[in-house]
Amino acid sequence: GNSVTQMEGPVTLSEEAFLTINCTYTATGYPSLFWYVQYPGEGLQLLLKATKADDKGSNKGFEATYRKETTSFHLEKGSVQVSDSAVYFCALSDGTDSSASKIIFGSGTRLSIRP
Amino acid sequence: GAVVSQHPSWVICKSGTSVKIECRSLDFQATTMFWYRQFPKQSLMLMATSNEGSKATYEQGVEKDKFLINHASLTLSTLTVTSAHPEDSSFYICSALWSGNTIYFGEGSWLTVV
Repeated sequence: GNSVTQMEGPVTLSEEAFLTINCTYTATGYPSLFWYVQYPGEGLQLLLKATKADDKGSNKGFEATYRKETTSFHLEKGSVQVSDSAVYFCALSDGTDSSASKIIFGSGTRLSIRP
Repeated sequence: GAVVSQHPSWVICKSGTSVKIECRSLDFQATTMFWYRQFPKQSLMLMATSNEGSKATYEQGVEKDKFLINHASLTLSTLTVTSAHPEDSSFYICSALWSGNTIYFGEGSWLTVV
C-alpha cells in the first residue's frame, strides 16, 4: 500500500542554516504530495503541495520538488529562522487535492532552531 | 486563528472509563471530518471519516464499537473512546473539510489512560 517515510528528528539547527528534511514515498499511480507543519499548540497547516512529477511547491521560503524517479519530496529552506521551529509532516494522497482523498502521513520531524 | 478546535487538549482518564473528544469547525460548516491517531514516533493514522447525519466510515482494523464517532451537526464531530485502556493512550487529531477542497486540522488531543 501507499506509505511515506521521512527522516527522524529531532533536527536542531542554528538560525540562518540550510535545512533539508528528507521524504520518500511508496505509491501506486500518481499521488499528490504535501508538507504540513504543526507549530506548538496549533493544528496542522498545509505548508506546500505538488500534484504531479517535477512540480515544485513553495511557501514561506520552503520548497519541495516532486521527484518521481527517486520517489522523493524533500523539504528545503535556504535560511531558517527561530519561528520555523515546529513539527513537519510529509504526506500523500491519491487524489489531486487534500480533500476527499485519504491523506497518508509520515511520522513527522521535529525541527528546533537555535537563535 | 484556529478554524478547527479540539477539546480537551489533554485528558487523563482511568482504565475502563470512557472519554469524549470534540472537534468543532469554528467559521464554517463541515459535512466531512476525519479522525486520526498518532503513536509516539509513528505516522498519523486515519481512523475514520465522519459524515454529518450518517454513520462514520472506519478504516480497516479500527474497532467501531470502541471508537464511537458522532457527527450530529455541521460544526461538531465527537470521538468517544469507550472502556479505555492504557494502550489507547495516544495523540488524536481531527480535520474538517471546507468547501470541498481544503482541509483544516485541529490542535490535537493527548489522551493518557492510567
